[in-house]
Amino acid sequence: GIQVEQSPPDLILQEGANSTLRCNFSDSVNNLQWFHQNPWGQLINLFYIPSGTKQNGRLSATTVATERYSLLYISSSQTTDSGVYFCAVGVLETSGSRLTFGEGTQLTVNP
Amino acid sequence: DAEITQSPRHKITETGRQVTLACHQTWNHNNMFWYRQDLGHGLRLIHYSYGVQDTNKGEVSDGYSVSRSNTEDLPLTLESAASSQTSVYFCASSTGTPSTGELFFGEGSRLTVL
Repeated sequence: GIQVEQSPPDLILQEGANSTLRCNFSDSVNNLQWFHQNPWGQLINLFYIPSGTKQNGRLSATTVATERYSLLYISSSQTTDSGVYFCAVGVLETSGSRLTFGEGTQLTVNP
Repeated sequence: DAEITQSPRHKITETGRQVTLACHQTWNHNNMFWYRQDLGHGLRLIHYSYGVQDTNKGEVSDGYSVSRSNTEDLPLTLESAASSQTSVYFCASSTGTPSTGELFFGEGSRLTVL
């Protein structure tokens, strides 16, 4: 199956700092999503980004499918950005897509 | 607003008992999934369904079963609970169209098997 590696595994920032999270995957995919799991355990869909670049406020993501990686940028981090960020990849088929998740990046933003 | 709900949110059971976790979505999504989350393993796929009467095994399906009798519900059953099945379980759904597979999660069910 597809292997997904996320780096770094842990990241500690001061409020206001910028960061880049990376997701590498082992095979061709046409479904890639980034999720944030907040400290209460909720999983929130951040981006559906099989290719290209998207931005949503202070967050943006870029996927270079041909080189099998995706990046999540967080600018001007806030304490509410803390939590675990997951990358998930899959292949879209006629009926749908199963996602394989990476192990996540644990982000802590200190005030 | 459309949503996906799981119940119970917390459950403690004993080894050998049958347990069913419910998942109900009002998105009218064709596709539904069950994942488990354990420390050190991220989220792993247990079972999934691409529509009514369709069920498929994921990477960690042993000891679990699902059934899909309607679009809205995908209950997950542990036939004989084992301590190794202590975990947080997440249900998710997606539209299933070829152009998008955006996934939405329920709030999770924490299961403890003693």
